[in-house]
Formats: sequence, C-alpha cells, structure tokens
Amino acid sequence: DQQVKQNSPSLSVQEGRISILNCDYTNSMFDYFLWYKKYPAEGPTFLISISSIKDKNEDGRFTVFLNKSAKHLSLHIVPSQPGDSAVYFCAAPPISSGSARQLTFGSGTQLTVLP
Amino acid sequence: DAGVIQSPRHEVTEMGQEVTLRCKPISGHNSLFWYRQTMMRGLELLIYFNNNVPIDDSGMPEDRFSAKMPNASFSTLKIQPSEPRDSAVYFCASSLSRDEKLFFGSGTQLSVL
Repeated sequence: DQQVKQNSPSLSVQEGRISILNCDYTNSMFDYFLWYKKYPAEGPTFLISISSIKDKNEDGRFTVFLNKSAKHLSLHIVPSQPGDSAVYFCAAPPISSGSARQLTFGSGTQLTVLP
Repeated sequence: DAGVIQSPRHEVTEMGQEVTLRCKPISGHNSLFWYRQTMMRGLELLIYFNNNVPIDDSGMPEDRFSAKMPNASFSTLKIQPSEPRDSAVYFCASSLSRDEKLFFGSGTQLSVL
C-alpha cells in the first residue's frame, strides 16, 4: 500500500518558468510533509517541509502548498533554474508514538530544467 | 561535520557472495535508517534503529538481509547470500529523535552479477 504517491515520473520545464511537482497521499492522519531533492550519485537532501496545520510554506524560490481536503501537496519552484534539475521526493512520517520518525517516500519525479 | 559516511561507494559481486555495507551516522544523531532505492519501488525503508536498538525491520525483504548497530557511530547491512535482484542503491540516513529531517549518505551502488 503506497501511502505517498507521485504520479509523474518526469517533468521538463524551461529555465525561468514555474515548476510544479505534485504528490498525493492516502493517510489523512499524516501531520507533516517533506520534500527532498536528489542529484545523481548523491543521497537525498532535505528541501522544505510543511505542517498539516498550514496550507503554505515558502522558502525563497520554493513554495509547498497543502490541500488537506484533496490529500494533495505540491512543490512550486519559481523561477526554475538548470541547477534545480534533480529527482524530487515527497515524504511523510507515519503517525507513531515511537521516538524515531521514519519517512515514507513517494517514487520521485525527475525534474529537468532546460536552459 | 562530515555528514553520513557510507562505504563502499560501489560494490560489484557475484551471486551467492556475502556483501557488507557500512555506515557512520552524524555524531549526536540517535536514529539510523537503511533505505534501498530501485527503479521499480523508489526509496523504501529497510530497517531503522533508535539508540542502537532495531525498532522496525519489517522492510527487510527476507532472511538474507541483516543489519546491526554495535555502537552509536557504526552500522552494517549484510546480504548473505546475495542475488541479482538485490542490485540497487542502498542509502543510510541519520537523524535526531523526533526530527523528521533525515540526513542521507551518498549511498552504495550494489551490483550483483
């Protein structure tokens, strides 16, 4: 059961335009969402997060929107730059009373920003 | 801080051989995670430790896989015997407890021929 889904395996965008990466989830109990970025031959790195009590979080060129009624979140990159070309994963920690918060990742979307 | 350190970066082995992947988490982090990335399944959690104790190993595919964390600064993931379908990139990550932000190593690219 894939609780976090990224249905678009790839996306190409022209430099300077907006990139929109989408993610859907099935568990309404998720209380926190994260986006990670991964370059080839490197591990994923944390990019931006959002708590379920918010519907928007902005950090420079990156904005994450959360639509709880639709169980959907999206990452907007404006303006897109060639250096943004990477695989983007959305992730959510399961509801747990444990002390560690392991993440469930989506399958990723390969973003290519064309110069 | 050097970040999460994994070794080796690349491993090529023959079917049936034992493979050991190593990880050094960030100093002070008390949670450690092993993930596997494949084209078909994306990033999937294999096992995680908290304070050196395995908490959830339900993601470990089968008995051929085992993981240990003998101390706070070292963990291993062992596959014995290895099979071609184990070929993937294996990532180790660490975090502070109750912090959702994981710090990943650069991964080990495993190829089993």
